Amino acid sequence: QKEVEQNSGPLSVPEGAIASLNCTYSDRGSQSFFWYRQYSGKSPELIMSIYSNGDKEDGRFTAQLNKASQYVSLLIRDSQPSDSATYLCAVNGGAAGNKLTFGGGTRVLVKP
Amino acid sequence: GAGVSQTPSNKVTEKGKYVELRCDPISGHTALYWYRQSLGQGPEFLIYFQGTGAADDSGLPNDRFFAVRPEGSVSTLKIQRTERGDSAVYLCASSPGTGGGNIQYFGAGTRLSVL
Repeated sequence: QKEVEQNSGPLSVPEGAIASLNCTYSDRGSQSFFWYRQYSGKSPELIMSIYSNGDKEDGRFTAQLNKASQYVSLLIRDSQPSDSATYLCAVNGGAAGNKLTFGGGTRVLVKP
Repeated sequence: GAGVSQTPSNKVTEKGKYVELRCDPISGHTALYWYRQSLGQGPEFLIYFQGTGAADDSGLPNDRFFAVRPEGSVSTLKIQRTERGDSAVYLCASSPGTGGGNIQYFGAGTRLSVL
């Protein structure tokens, strides 16, 4: 079992719709959770961080964390073609310490 | 500088050669991380430094890989006797500190191709 798991996609979403991305992690001691966006051939760019159970909203993005279920999600509202990218879920803390453990990423395609 | 800088952006080498990859972190960031990303996968941790010392090198795949950060700023990742399987994008990240919530900011990466 991978430490951080994501559906590889692609997740195809019509423009203006909501994209829902999911991530599960195995280390119950994980403390910090991050969503990075990565365009093809570019470096990962942080879009959301979340540290406590519940929802955190930033513009069109909402991160949701449920530590009991070891589950973190990202919602992208009013999806735009520019949101087409790979979204990486990453966790740290617990046994991993300060290093980030990444999932394999979910590719999102927003179609006009 | 404004962001994490990595040089070179691309490196092509022959099997068996030695390569050095450089990372210049965000000014004032005490923690520096190296990751490796293969095509279609998420980044995988290699090593991280707090100041000049390697705080965790558990991700280095074997003794052909070595990294230094002699003055607590710029870091160099060194790969000896390169193999074709070393081909990947090597990413460097830095963060202000080492608390778990510290955000890691990534450089553009060095794409290493071993022929």
